[in-house]
Amino acid sequence: GAVVSQHPSRVICKSGTSVKIECRSLDFQATTMFWYRQFPKKSLMLMATSNEGSKATYEQGVEKDKFLINHASLTLSTLTVTSAHPEDSSFYICSAPRLQDTQYFGPGTRLTVL
Amino acid sequence: AQKVTQAQTEISVVEKEDVTLDCVYETRDTTYYLFWYKQPPSGELVFLIRRNSFDEQNEISGRYSWNFQKSTSSFNFTITASQVVDSAVYFCALTRGYGSEKLVFGKGTKLTVNP
Repeated sequence: GAVVSQHPSRVICKSGTSVKIECRSLDFQATTMFWYRQFPKKSLMLMATSNEGSKATYEQGVEKDKFLINHASLTLSTLTVTSAHPEDSSFYICSAPRLQDTQYFGPGTRLTVL
Repeated sequence: AQKVTQAQTEISVVEKEDVTLDCVYETRDTTYYLFWYKQPPSGELVFLIRRNSFDEQNEISGRYSWNFQKSTSSFNFTITASQVVDSAVYFCALTRGYGSEKLVFGKGTKLTVNP
């Protein structure tokens, strides 16, 4: 069964609003989680590394103030897209590494900004 | 810097054909891990295999097999007797760590298996 969940799976919002996406590790703790973004028919690009108890590490070119990441607990990381615009429409996927195992991906969140 | 190249953008085969998906990687690390993921139309990434840089043994799992060759920096994936359900986008990925480090993905290969 799934070991990483994401919520919501799909969201449609108006331009200018903020959207929060949750990523949860279901049966293990993750001090680190990753947020990826995937445009249609494109590959996954890492946006940021979410660190429990400290600030997230953003990849070059990713706006920190635009994509707020909070690693609230050892099983939960949230990505908030602030003041969303149509160009933010994308598929967002989180992943969490399980100790001595591999990275598991959430089912993804499809964001559409009108 | 790490890089993964999947030169085949799209492949189309007829059911029961064998198909090989190519993956070439670049890294300066001596320890690294390679992955293959399957992404069906639903979007969820399905883990297929992980291989570390010290293990060059080929692996077979049912109709799937993987050929890892450090000499050519390749980690190719073969599906034998393909089925329609194999239709998906397949990603090859590379990471420095065991699994706790970020993944660098190739651009993916879209496989279409026609009945």
